[in-house]
Amino acid sequence: AQSVTQPDIHITVSEGASLELRCNYSYGATPYLFWYVQSPGQGLQLLLKYFSGDTLVQGIKGFEAEFKRSQSSFNLRKPSVHWSDAAEYFCAVGERFQKLVFGTGTRLLVSP
Amino acid sequence: EAGVTQFPSHSVIEKGQTVTLRCDPISGHDNLYWYRRVMGKEIKFLLHFVKESKQDESGMPNNRFLAERTGGTYSTLKVQPAELEDSGVYFCASSHAQGETYEQYFGPGTRLTVT
Repeated sequence: AQSVTQPDIHITVSEGASLELRCNYSYGATPYLFWYVQSPGQGLQLLLKYFSGDTLVQGIKGFEAEFKRSQSSFNLRKPSVHWSDAAEYFCAVGERFQKLVFGTGTRLLVSP
Repeated sequence: EAGVTQFPSHSVIEKGQTVTLRCDPISGHDNLYWYRRVMGKEIKFLLHFVKESKQDESGMPNNRFLAERTGGTYSTLKVQPAELEDSGVYFCASSHAQGETYEQYFGPGTRLTVT
């Protein structure tokens, strides 16, 4: 069965510090991978996506993610966090034009 | 280009009542998806329309939930009668059904509270 694990429910980082959010997936085929962000009062916004090609993917807002097939991981990173990055982040997996399976989300808190 | 819109943004109803949620997808998107997030849990898939046809309704929890997409444009999700466990945030998403662009665009969600 398809599943996504985001082991960290909450993460707190200082503004300006680097960030890494973990995502592991279980999927039978080569999946399409996504990271979404939900800011308070907002819908889910797509940060980046991956299916094939370069395993380091650049997204919006300065985020990047690296696909590691051997570890079934798709971790999200940002070199320097801004206070406006405080939000909930979701990793998702699926197939082209099909439903997505989401992780439980990681809530990011940014301290001054 | 307008994004995915959902109405209402928030609904509070009593157990046993009926509620209808509406989703307007991005114009030109043939795929429309419904998801739900119950408090503290992951976002879960409910069903998938391609135009007006139900492609996948494997996530619908029971027959109290009825989704329609008349004319292949907007979609409604009716819950009748509502139960306490139906509380949560209902998200709608849309995408193209073919081509190079496949990502799903999400609406802001409808927060349903059943008391």
